[in-house]
Amino acid sequence: AQSVAQPEDQVNVAEGNPLTVKCTYSVSGNPYLFWYVQYPNRGLQFLLKYITGDNLVKGSYGFEAEFNKSQTSFHLKKPSALVSDSALYFCAVRDSGTGNQFYFGTGTSLTVIP
Amino acid sequence: KAGVTQTPRYLIKTRGQQVTLSCSPISGHRSVSWYQQTPGQGLQFLFEYFSETQRNKGNFPGRFSGRQFSNSRSEMNVSTLELGDSALYLCASSGGLDSYEQYFGPGTRLTVT
Repeated sequence: AQSVAQPEDQVNVAEGNPLTVKCTYSVSGNPYLFWYVQYPNRGLQFLLKYITGDNLVKGSYGFEAEFNKSQTSFHLKKPSALVSDSALYFCAVRDSGTGNQFYFGTGTSLTVIP
Repeated sequence: KAGVTQTPRYLIKTRGQQVTLSCSPISGHRSVSWYQQTPGQGLQFLFEYFSETQRNKGNFPGRFSGRQFSNSRSEMNVSTLELGDSALYLCASSGGLDSYEQYFGPGTRLTVT
């Protein structure tokens, strides 16, 4: 079955420290992987995607993510966290084996502490 | 280019009533998906429409239905509302030149009392 897991409901990190938000996936076909961010009372904003090519992808606001096929993971990272990065982060996978339907994780709430 | 728009932004309804939500995708996008977001469940996929045809459907009861018009605008209808239908309903469009990702609207906050 297709699924996306974000094992941490909440991540706290001090401002200036590196941050990681974890994501693992399970699909039947080739995965297209995405990260989205949601600020309070807003829709989701696209951060970055992995379709093919380099395993390390860079996105908006200094975020990057590494695709690891053997571990079926796509963790979101940033070298130096900002207070303004505090938000809800969603990992998603688009499964080419099931009509390209999107599957979202349950979200990880990131709090950056000043 | 204008983003995805959803109307209304907020809605309060009573149990048993029905509701229709509207979504206008980004110009040129032909695919529209609907999601229900609740604090405990995250984003739950409702359905996807492409060129006026339902392409995928999530695991929701038949009270939830949708349609897409020839201009790609989409509506979602929920009949016989229940308290548990209170949620943020998000619409997303895709299908432009960079068609892999979805672009989300701000959502419609539905409260059922």
